[in-house]
Amino acid sequence: DTGVSQDPRHKITKRGQNVTFRCDPISEHNRLYWYRQTLGQGPEFLTYFQNEAQLEKSRLLSDRFSAERPKGSFSTLEIQRTEQGDSAMYLCASSLWGESTDTQYFGPGTRLTVL
Amino acid sequence: TQLLEQSPQFLSIQEGENLTVYCNSSSVFSSLQWYRQEPGEGPVLLVTVVTGGEVKKLKRLTFQFGDARKDSSLHITAAQPGDTGLYLCAGPNAGNNRKLIWGLGTSLAVNP
Repeated sequence: DTGVSQDPRHKITKRGQNVTFRCDPISEHNRLYWYRQTLGQGPEFLTYFQNEAQLEKSRLLSDRFSAERPKGSFSTLEIQRTEQGDSAMYLCASSLWGESTDTQYFGPGTRLTVL
Repeated sequence: TQLLEQSPQFLSIQEGENLTVYCNSSSVFSSLQWYRQEPGEGPVLLVTVVTGGEVKKLKRLTFQFGDARKDSSLHITAAQPGDTGLYLCAGPNAGNNRKLIWGLGTSLAVNP
């Protein structure tokens, strides 16, 4: 499978716990994006990487959120001290920066439920 | 601020009917993507349109990019229940980060 994969697909946690999600992009893609989506809304941008460098973080991303892409391949998104408002679908996308269309391809998402 | 507006928001039709959904903006986009999303899943890319006036066909789906690259349409011929889903349009913002700006989607239900 050469698409974007995300793990886990579902995560249920108690408020105050830490959670970590993983995204494996399409192998030759140099950009990786994280979005968050709640019911009835389009995805909201959280952050993105070009290779291993994190180039931008949305103001939506509080200090409890941290993302890494240590080797420019897979990425992790960690949420510390989860709150009920963090419940959402977390989407990862990758693209090949420099190609004419720069299309983003999405993974299946990780659905987080904070109890 | 670049915005994308999609219409209609909801559409319920019978199998075999034709339909068109729209994605409009007052801003120019370098490209627009159409995605289809099912509940609990990530958006699946259907097509990217790049050139003003471009028409792309994907089986029974026809996508058009406006001449001025400010709008796009998706036409489905002889809709089938398998076409049911949320259709989202998105375009990269004008900045270097290329983060996607999204419409709110058209929720399509095709009834057998």
